[in-house]
Amino acid sequence: AQSVTQLDSHVSVSEGTPVLLRCNYSSSYSPSLFWYVQHPNKGLQLLLKYTSAATLVKGINGFEAEFKKSETSFHLTKPSAHMSDAAEYFCVVTTNRDDKIIFGKGTRLHILP
Amino acid sequence: GAGVSQSPSNKVTEKGKDVELRCDPISGHTALYWYRQRLGQGLEFLIYFQGNSAPDKSGLPSDRFSAERTGESVSTLTIQRTQQEDSAVYLCASSLSRTGNYGYTFGSGTRLTVV
Repeated sequence: AQSVTQLDSHVSVSEGTPVLLRCNYSSSYSPSLFWYVQHPNKGLQLLLKYTSAATLVKGINGFEAEFKKSETSFHLTKPSAHMSDAAEYFCVVTTNRDDKIIFGKGTRLHILP
Repeated sequence: GAGVSQSPSNKVTEKGKDVELRCDPISGHTALYWYRQRLGQGLEFLIYFQGNSAPDKSGLPSDRFSAERTGESVSTLTIQRTQQEDSAVYLCASSLSRTGNYGYTFGSGTRLTVV
């Protein structure tokens, strides 16, 4: 079985400062990990995914995430926040053994002017 | 179409009425998922279809909820005798493969309000 924990329900950063959204996972098998973003009244959009290739994954809009097996983490980062980054972010885990995609509870990112 | 299409985008219904939500996945996507997102909460798995296999219904919250899928195309989620706690955004997603290695494409959701 697998699970995913997003450690912060809300994160606030000032525009232009770094963003860190934390995600820890547990999985009995080799996981595939994803980050999705959901803007208000919009559908979910894939930011990036890890599927056993390079551990540092680059996504859209300047986001990246690093898969750290020893820490069972897949934290999402961005060097410089933009106002348009304000949204809800979901960390997702799945494996090639289980058909469910498991979502974290989400982290709401607030960008302060 | 190019993406996952859900209809209606918004639905307001009276308590006790039945509703039907529709999802058109991307053509060729064998895997289809339904999720629910209630206000202030994370996404909640409801049901999963994979090709012609028996669906995984383990997430359906009660027997008032049911879903069907015709082959690898359209899916409908039906909620009978709606209750106020059913108010949520219902999201559909599809994937090219069972493992989702190509990612999952989500629709924009159906916002259901039960009054």
